[in-house]
Amino acid sequence: ELKVEQNPLFLSMQEGKNYTIYCNYSTTSDRLYWYRQDPGKSLESLFVLLSNGAVKQEGRLMASLDTKARLSTLHITAAVHDLSATYFCAVDGYDKIIFGKGTRLHILP
Amino acid sequence: DAGITQSPRHKVTETGTPVTLRCHQTENHRYMYWYRQDPGHGLRLIHYSYGVKDTDKGEVSDGYSVSRSKTEDFLLTLESATSSQTSVYFCAIKGTGANVLTFGAGSRLTVL
Repeated sequence: ELKVEQNPLFLSMQEGKNYTIYCNYSTTSDRLYWYRQDPGKSLESLFVLLSNGAVKQEGRLMASLDTKARLSTLHITAAVHDLSATYFCAVDGYDKIIFGKGTRLHILP
Repeated sequence: DAGITQSPRHKVTETGTPVTLRCHQTENHRYMYWYRQDPGHGLRLIHYSYGVKDTDKGEVSDGYSVSRSKTEDFLLTLESATSSQTSVYFCAIKGTGANVLTFGAGSRLTVL
């Protein structure tokens, strides 16, 4: 059964700092998604990672996938207040797509 | 969201009443999903569909049923709503080979 563990669940950080969110999963998959959600809104797609070693970057966010370790990371570089949101990873188990519990990111000025 | 709509967007109902939420897509995607979102639990998969009349259970399917009689519509039914089913429900779609799972705007259900 596919399980997805995301950590940390809550992260408060200063503007300008770097940090990483981790997403571990339990069974084989070669497709992983990262989403952003603002309060009261739906989920916005950030990245889709399709193969081992995949790395994608958009602005201050960079995501990577290691399928052998069953691990994906979302790295935040020089955080700014606008990045405050909840971030989710989701793993595609070929039919089911299972989400982590999310990381609530709060960036302090 | 473009290509996927949920209805109703808000509903308040009483315990024991039936409720149906509708997800409609115009993308002709094969896969459709229903999730519920609750504080501290993230998104949990209720049911999903991989084609017309092809559905399967997710992580939290008890108390829910689904139907998909045509490609564009995926219905989620609560036969007898309970207060524990108060939640925000999201529908999502994914096409074969598509790289993105696209979400609807969500349906907020309150069961009194």
